[in-house]
Amino acid sequence: AQSVTQLDSQVPVFEEAPVELRCNYSSSVSVYLFWYVQYPNQGLQLLLKYLSGSTLVKGINGFEAEFNKSQTSFHLRKPSVHISDTAEYFCAVSRNSGGSNYKLTFGKGTLLTVNP
Amino acid sequence: NAGVMQNPRHLVRRRGQEARLRCSPMKGHSHVYWYRQLPEEGLKFMVYLQKENIIDESGMPKERFSAEFPKEGPSILRIQQVVRGDSAAYFCASSPGTAGDEQYFGPGTRLTVT
Repeated sequence: AQSVTQLDSQVPVFEEAPVELRCNYSSSVSVYLFWYVQYPNQGLQLLLKYLSGSTLVKGINGFEAEFNKSQTSFHLRKPSVHISDTAEYFCAVSRNSGGSNYKLTFGKGTLLTVNP
Repeated sequence: NAGVMQNPRHLVRRRGQEARLRCSPMKGHSHVYWYRQLPEEGLKFMVYLQKENIIDESGMPKERFSAEFPKEGPSILRIQQVVRGDSAAYFCASSPGTAGDEQYFGPGTRLTVT
């Protein structure tokens, strides 16, 4: 089974500041990794995903994440945030082979609040 | 290409009533997943369906919950005899395939049990 820990439930930052949202996972098998964003009263939108290859993954809206296998982490970063980035961010994993590889396991989410 | 559609967006039921949640996947997607989001929690997998087949219902509560994805029409998540603990946001996602494929999420149905 997999589990995901998002270390910060809330992250307040000022506009144009850099931000890092932390995600650690636990799994006995190799995984795919995902970051989703949820704006108020909306569904989840995929920001980026790691399947294989380069450990630095670039996504939409200027976000990027780095897969660190030794530290079992997949932290999300943005060098300069905007007010419009205010949302809930979810890290998720799934197995990358075998059965149940469709089953996403989510963290509890990090609420990013960007203040002017 | 319309996204994943869910209706209703908000549903209020009294304890003991039935709740029916509908999900229409994206065009060309034959894989549907239901997740539940309890307050201040991440999404939890409930069930995975393909047309006319339940592939994995390991996340579904054993009683009162059922899901279907008929040959024609939307996928339905049905909750019988709802209780207050069923109050949550229920999200449907669809994908064209499985392994590593992006799951596209609908806007969710927010169920409130009074």
